[in-house]
Amino acid sequence: NAGVTQTPKFQVLKTGQSMTLQCAQDMNHEYMSWYRQDPGMGLRLIHYSVGAGITDQGEVPNGYNVSRSTTEDFPLRLLSAAPSQTSVYFCASRRTGGDNQPQHFGDGTRLSIL
Amino acid sequence: GEDVEQSLFLSVREGDSSVINCTYTDSSSTYLYWYKQEPGAGLQLLTYIFSNMDMKQDQRLTVLLNKKDKHLSLRIADTQTGDSAIYFCPPVPRRGSQGNLIFGKGTKLSVKP
Repeated sequence: NAGVTQTPKFQVLKTGQSMTLQCAQDMNHEYMSWYRQDPGMGLRLIHYSVGAGITDQGEVPNGYNVSRSTTEDFPLRLLSAAPSQTSVYFCASRRTGGDNQPQHFGDGTRLSIL
Repeated sequence: GEDVEQSLFLSVREGDSSVINCTYTDSSSTYLYWYKQEPGAGLQLLTYIFSNMDMKQDQRLTVLLNKKDKHLSLRIADTQTGDSAIYFCPPVPRRGSQGNLIFGKGTKLSVKP
């Protein structure tokens, strides 16, 4: 099993550009989520999904869109990149929407916005 | 509201014990999962404790849970340079959400040879 796979690992964008961060999991997990990790801020939830066709906002959703057309994939779209979105982005999945299952994380996408 | 508090930094010498402490405002989780993040990588499950336990030992790791004081700790015995990483206390569920979790900021453990 590959677990949670994120691509790309690194990306540099110019302000105003758009891009999609990919996330795929092969564990048939219902719950998937996107976090950003910034120094001194810990992990903050951007968007999440409890199953295919269902998405919802987390703590810091502004500037990001998500979709969940399949159980496996949960892409994160930056609509118009801003320097404040420079961060490390992590995708995570777990078996159910409840909190009693461990989360599985990808290795992250390191994104710089110039 | 819900929160997880932990120190941001911890520095120890190789061979010493490391103790990472957490306090939390509320938690109804049945399992409390600790995560470790090595440099340049994502978070990995490190160990866990069942919420009705006081202590769990897992090789060099010992987890203590004091539910009355809402305090958790992770002790790493005989700390090695390979233990240098960021350690995240068990996240707590956000009330009213569909299982969303609140993570602490993580404790960066530095092990000096």
